[in-house]
Amino acid sequence: NAGVTQTPKFRILKIGQSMTLQCTQDMNHNYMYWYRQDPGMGLKLIYYSVGAGITDKGEVPNGYNVSRSTTEDFPLRLELAAPSQTSVYFCASNEVTEAFFGQGTRLTVV
Amino acid sequence: EDKVVQSPLSLVVHEGDTVTLNCSYEVTNFRSLLWYKQEKKAPTFLFMLTSSGIEKKSGRLSSILDKKELFSILNITATQTGDSAIYLCAVGPTSGTYKYIFGTGTRLKVLA
Repeated sequence: NAGVTQTPKFRILKIGQSMTLQCTQDMNHNYMYWYRQDPGMGLKLIYYSVGAGITDKGEVPNGYNVSRSTTEDFPLRLELAAPSQTSVYFCASNEVTEAFFGQGTRLTVV
Repeated sequence: EDKVVQSPLSLVVHEGDTVTLNCSYEVTNFRSLLWYKQEKKAPTFLFMLTSSGIEKKSGRLSSILDKKELFSILNITATQTGDSAIYLCAVGPTSGTYKYIFGTGTRLKVLA
């Protein structure tokens, strides 16, 4: 019953560094999403995928990249970290019904 | 542009009070509206609403959708301190996908 698993749980990055946030789901969902949540705010969609090999931009894609080589995995890449990317990142997946969320990654860029 | 607006942004009540949280939306190709509760970490699913006028209930929580007015409410009766959380409303899919648009959430604090 793993559901959606995100790693790491938290990370501190220096400006200009890069990193990959990992997301894996074991529910065989086609649809996967990356959201960011800034303090006191709702969720903003960064990128989403409707299946392996297919990704598309959401509301706030700048500064991020994704790939979807398998149904299970949907990593999010930050190439040149900036303070504006300090946020909590959530990965989610769904099929027809509600989205299931990972536990989030708290990222701080200093 | 698709959007979801929640109100109020924050709310402080005392235990035992009843609260009503609001969610209005403007999206193309509406399919469903979802309510989530977010405490410390990931949002947890509460309700999915697809049909107008049918109330969903779970214990002290209930929700209803009005597709004509593009509006949903989430009611919590006899509030408890454990109800303190951010309540998120999401609508989807938009533009023929299963992409959900989230509102900014309502931050509820229940005082003992």
